[in-house]
Amino acid sequence: GAVVSQHPSRVICKSGTSVKIECRSLDFQATTMFWYRQFPKQSLMLMATSNEGSKATYEQGVEKDKFLINHASLTLSTLTVTSAHPEDSSFYICSAPRLAGGVTDTQYFGPGTRLTVL
Amino acid sequence: AQRVTQPEKLLSVFKGAPVELKCNYSYSGSPELFWYVQYSRQRLQLLLRHISRESIKGFTADLNKGETSFHLKKPFAQEEDSAMYYCALRDNFNKFYFGSGTKLNVKP
Repeated sequence: GAVVSQHPSRVICKSGTSVKIECRSLDFQATTMFWYRQFPKQSLMLMATSNEGSKATYEQGVEKDKFLINHASLTLSTLTVTSAHPEDSSFYICSAPRLAGGVTDTQYFGPGTRLTVL
Repeated sequence: AQRVTQPEKLLSVFKGAPVELKCNYSYSGSPELFWYVQYSRQRLQLLLRHISRESIKGFTADLNKGETSFHLKKPFAQEEDSAMYYCALRDNFNKFYFGSGTKLNVKP
């Protein structure tokens, strides 16, 4: 099946630094990717939609200047957490829909990135 | 607004017992409903989707538009079914919204 990878799988950083998380679709092209945030024992919360060739669209309450998204190519989207603070510590997951005949097939999820901000 | 509701955080059943994980949704358009499963230390993966009307690993789910529900059922639970189950809705803009998840614990 289709595979989506994320890098790094785990990152620990100091408060005030920026962290970049990569999401790659390994065997299919994705013009759209989604970024989620998951708090412990809670559900996935959609943060933003990453669009190849155009600006990302953010869900209500998500700071676009805080969470920078760049969809660099048809197989890569990056999420940069700028000036990270301890409250940004979370599990970040990306997903990519695979199209079949122009219709979205299904979502494939990355394994997630555990961010810990000290 | 909460689009997907899973009322049970934890569901414990004995092996061989029937199981039903509840999911209700609210959406004014024509959503597509999914069940995703996350086994321990693994990534989220698709279990089934309502348009396929298929049975995966013995699980089935029927979309009830009148009750706006998409409950997941299995007649005889197995220990390997123990996992987190998430109900999800895809809206007309291809965005996914997830329920809060139900942890299924199948006891031997």
